[in-house]
Amino acid sequence: DGGITQSPKYLFRKEGQNVTLSCEQNLNHDAMYWYRQDPGQGLRLIYYSQIVNDFQKGDIAEGYSVSREKKESFPLTVTSAQKNPTAFYLCASRTGGGETQYFGPGTRLLVL
Amino acid sequence: KQEVTQIPAALSVPEGENLVLNCSFTDSAIYNLQWFRQDPGKGLTSLLLIQSSQREQTSGRLNASLDKSSGRSTLYIAASQPGDSATYLCAVEYGNKLVFGAGTILRVKS
Repeated sequence: DGGITQSPKYLFRKEGQNVTLSCEQNLNHDAMYWYRQDPGQGLRLIYYSQIVNDFQKGDIAEGYSVSREKKESFPLTVTSAQKNPTAFYLCASRTGGGETQYFGPGTRLLVL
Repeated sequence: KQEVTQIPAALSVPEGENLVLNCSFTDSAIYNLQWFRQDPGKGLTSLLLIQSSQREQTSGRLNASLDKSSGRSTLYIAASQPGDSATYLCAVEYGNKLVFGAGTILRVKS
């Protein structure tokens, strides 16, 4: 089955800890995206990548980092600099500009 | 600033009713507009994509319209069913980025 997988489904972070969220796709899509969703709000773009080994900051990149070493993978690291990380994180991919984005099932990050 | 607003924030209707969800956007220089569905605790599913040159798109009981000049889109759902209960999100594409509205929470009562 083609699709986007995200893991883990739930993630707990301690104060001062960096955590990494996984996003993998087997759709052969070039572009991948990370969004953050807070209750009652729309999705906000954190980072995006249009091609391997290249990525750009979105609207709320501070406290986050990404890498794109493989076409299939776009992991997101939530660093200790992100002071309010509790949210639902969604990964998406698509073939290119103007096409629809396909979303993964999401990871819910909670702070202990 | 590019902003997307959805009205109403929540809607509860009896089964079988036809309904309209509204989306407005501040910058009319859009590439396209998309409607998504999100079930609780899940990812988004694309429903309809309207290119900036198009006026509407239809899929089954769903019809989405686009009026770029007025900065508005509507999603029409015919003969609503309890299975339509979900959050509906409008997203406008500018360049390579989507700007999302906060969504409309729809509940269809049986």
